[in-house]
Amino acid sequence: DVKVTQSSRYLVKRTGEKVFLECVQDMDHENMFWYRQDPGLGLRLIYFSYDVKMKEKGDIPEGYSVSREKKERFSLILESASTNQTSMYLCASTATGTGVYEQYFGPGTRLTVT
Amino acid sequence: GENVEQHPSTLSVQEGDSAVIKCTYSDSASNYFPWYKQELGKRPQLIIDIRSNVGEKKDQRIAVTLNKTAKHFSLHITETQPEDSAVYFCAASKTGGSYIPTFGRGTSLIVHP
Repeated sequence: DVKVTQSSRYLVKRTGEKVFLECVQDMDHENMFWYRQDPGLGLRLIYFSYDVKMKEKGDIPEGYSVSREKKERFSLILESASTNQTSMYLCASTATGTGVYEQYFGPGTRLTVT
Repeated sequence: GENVEQHPSTLSVQEGDSAVIKCTYSDSASNYFPWYKQELGKRPQLIIDIRSNVGEKKDQRIAVTLNKTAKHFSLHITETQPEDSAVYFCAASKTGGSYIPTFGRGTSLIVHP
C-alpha cells in the first residue's frame, strides 16, 4: 500500500517567513510532484523531480523552490511567504518504467500566510 | 504544452440519475487519460483511466470514453449515489519520457438523495 505523507496538515505563517513543506513516499517512486490546489483552478504544477537532485519547473514556479536530496523525500520551499501563497499544497509520486502511471497523493497541507 | 478543459464546473443530480463530465485536450500526442476523485477533505485518488488505443473502458458504474479525432474524453457515472459526491479531475499526458499530467480544473458533483 503506497503511502505518501506530508509534514503538516495545517500551517500558519507570517508574511516574509521561510516555509518548508516536506513530502515522503515509501514506494521507491522516481517521480515526485508538488501541486497547488485552489478552488476553481484545479491542480497546478509547481515543480516536479524525476530523480535525486533533479528538478524541473512546472506551470507556476515563481516564489517557490524545491529540494530532493533523497529519493523518498521532496521538499517545497517558500523563500519569503506572501499572502497570495495561501493555498492547499499537494504532493504526489509515481513510478516509472512499470507501465503504471497512477499518481499517489499526500493528504495535503493547508497553508495560511497572514 | 498541453491544455485540458473540463466541463461543467458544477453538476447537480438526483440519486439514481446519470452524470457525465467532459474534457478536451489540445496535444494530439497525449495518450493517457486518468480520472481522479477527491472527496471533501481527502486526497485525490485514481478511479479509472484510459489509454489512446482504447475507445471505452468500464468499471462497474463508471465508464470513460475517448474520441482521439475530436480530442475529447468523458466520464460517465450511472445510478449515482450520495457517496459519488466529490470533485472529479480529468488529466491528459504522454507516457513517454517524463510523465507530467495536465489536469482539468475539476467538476464538483453533488448527488442529492
